[in-house]
Formats: sequence, structure tokens, C-alpha cells
Amino acid sequence: EAGVTQSPTHLIKTRGQQATLRCSPISGHTSVYWYQQALGLGLQFLLWYDEGEERNRGNFPPRFSGRQFPNYSSELNVNALELEDSALYLCASSLYREHNEQFFGPGTRLTVL
Amino acid sequence: RKEVEQDPGPFNVPEGATVAFNCTYSNSASQSFFWYRQDCRKEPKLLMSVYSSGNEDGRFTAQLNRASQYISLLIRDSKLSDSATYLCVVNMGSSASKIIFGSGTRLSIRP
Repeated sequence: EAGVTQSPTHLIKTRGQQATLRCSPISGHTSVYWYQQALGLGLQFLLWYDEGEERNRGNFPPRFSGRQFPNYSSELNVNALELEDSALYLCASSLYREHNEQFFGPGTRLTVL
Repeated sequence: RKEVEQDPGPFNVPEGATVAFNCTYSNSASQSFFWYRQDCRKEPKLLMSVYSSGNEDGRFTAQLNRASQYISLLIRDSKLSDSATYLCVVNMGSSASKIIFGSGTRLSIRP
């Protein structure tokens, strides 16, 4: 069975641009979570989607947004990129609201120049 | 004070040694606890849940001390393949934002 997939693997942008990251959950999982992992820091919770709706949001500015599609895949958009947005962005999925059983994708490494 | 704190390490120990590290949490109402493992440039993977009575999985033992608000991970007979960063994860509530990841303890096993 395929795990969580994310694309692209790497993304290089310049300050002020917009970035779009994609995630496909494990088949049957309806909850998708996004995390930011900056160098040397722990995972910071960004967003939680379930059944197509944003259910919970971490302490990030509104320029971090996303959505979940009917097939439960998800997109994270980061507008007006800043240098400090450079990080590994991890997507995880779980069965409906099973936050304790999250399975992570390999991540997208975003570099903002 | 951080909600979840870990000693960043690195812990550098010889193969075969026993190594232990702790993780403290700030919210006494925290509900569930986990250890994840993250290899260099890879995604985190669930290593084990931590139960109130303590639990063991092969060479790994996890313990919870609610009174002192910490969890621990003990690795016996360490292998080179145990080299990784170990993340402490605490679920402090019912919503996804209440799952707090520690910044990890780096473990390096030397031959």
C-alpha cells in the first residue's frame, strides 16, 4: 500500500513569490496535517484538514493557507515568501481524526532565496 | 518554558551501550505520549506509544512519570542503525494543534 506522498521534493523560490506544495494521503485516510520543520527546530503544526474543511490552524500568519480536495489530497500555499519560510514541510495523514496515529510523507524542502 | 522540552544532544555512545533520554512536558492535563524516530533528511516515524504503566518493545523501553511530568526512552544494546533523532510527542488535548512535537534528541552510535 502506498504511503503518504508529497510533491515536489525540493522547491526553490525567491522572496515575495508564492509556493504550492502538494500531498496525497494514504488511501482511506481523511485527515491531513501540515507541519513546518525549520532547521534545528521541532515540527510546528500548521494546518489540519478533514472532510474538505480546515479544522484547526497553528500559530502561523494568514499567508499560509491550503485546502483539501474531494479525494482528500491537500495543497499548502505560502504567499509572499520570506527567507524564514525556508524549511522542510511535512504532510501527515490519519484515519478520521485519529491525531495520535499520523503517518508522514517524505516532505518538501522549500528554500527561499 | 517550552511545552515539550528535550535535550538536543547529540548523545554519542558506543555500539552495545545502553542510552536513555528524557522529555519534559508542561501541561499536567496531557493525555497521551509517543516517541517518534526521524532519520537524517527523512520523515518522522512512530517508534512507540508511551503507556502509564510503561511499555517495552524489544530493546526499547518507554516510561511515563506523570508526577514529574516527563517521559523517557531507554535503548538497550544499541545498534549502529539506532542512530537517528528521537522526537518526543505529547498530545495535550483533543484537537490536532494540541499535539506538540519536541525538537528532538540526536543519537549517534559509534562502532
